[in-house]
Amino acid sequence: DTAVSQTPKYLVTQMGNDKSIKCEQNLGHDTMYWYKQDSKKFLKIMFSYNNKELIINETVPNRFSPKSPDKAHLNLHINSLELGDSAVYFCASSFSSYNEQFFGPGTRLTVL
Amino acid sequence: QKEVEQDPGPLSVPEGAIVSLNCTYSNSAFQYFMWYRQYSRKGPELLMYTYSSGNKEDGRFTAQVDKSSKYISLFIRDSQPSDSATYLCAMTAVRGSNYQLIWGAGTKLIIKP
Repeated sequence: DTAVSQTPKYLVTQMGNDKSIKCEQNLGHDTMYWYKQDSKKFLKIMFSYNNKELIINETVPNRFSPKSPDKAHLNLHINSLELGDSAVYFCASSFSSYNEQFFGPGTRLTVL
Repeated sequence: QKEVEQDPGPLSVPEGAIVSLNCTYSNSAFQYFMWYRQYSRKGPELLMYTYSSGNKEDGRFTAQVDKSSKYISLFIRDSQPSDSATYLCAMTAVRGSNYQLIWGAGTKLIIKP
């Protein structure tokens, strides 16, 4: 009964490929997030959705496109992968934007 | 200048020591203050959540907020090797009609047995 789950856990791919990461939460939260964590552990917000509506869209290359089919799911599609996209991507959710965020286990993306 | 400053460490202390982790911030409008703990290869998890100046205690952990100095701290008493992790401070800022968490860089803590 995992609260926030992500698939896949590991993703190794070649430069130029397109890939997707999926996230699901069973906590009944309204808000979901995508974060990128680099090798220095800095956690950078990428996107946030509230009830399927995009509310935070930080300066991220437009190769990254989030999609929320319903409020329990938030997926991240990445086009034309680059070496600099290698990082750990975390999905998180919360009841609202000022409440505690619950994080998934992360997806470790390696671009070769 | 970053909105939230946190020394990335690593901070290495012997087991049983009192640990002090700190963050400073520049935006006096920050309202809620949090400490998250992240073990290696895991997602961050909330440790402490405060919204006013003063101290909040939970077991061996004490969170301290000083809004006048724009400074928050996390103290860990009787530190254990299992406390070895990265500790991230975070605080909420109003962005339009929503709140956004602004994160520190995280401090890597190592407790030596």
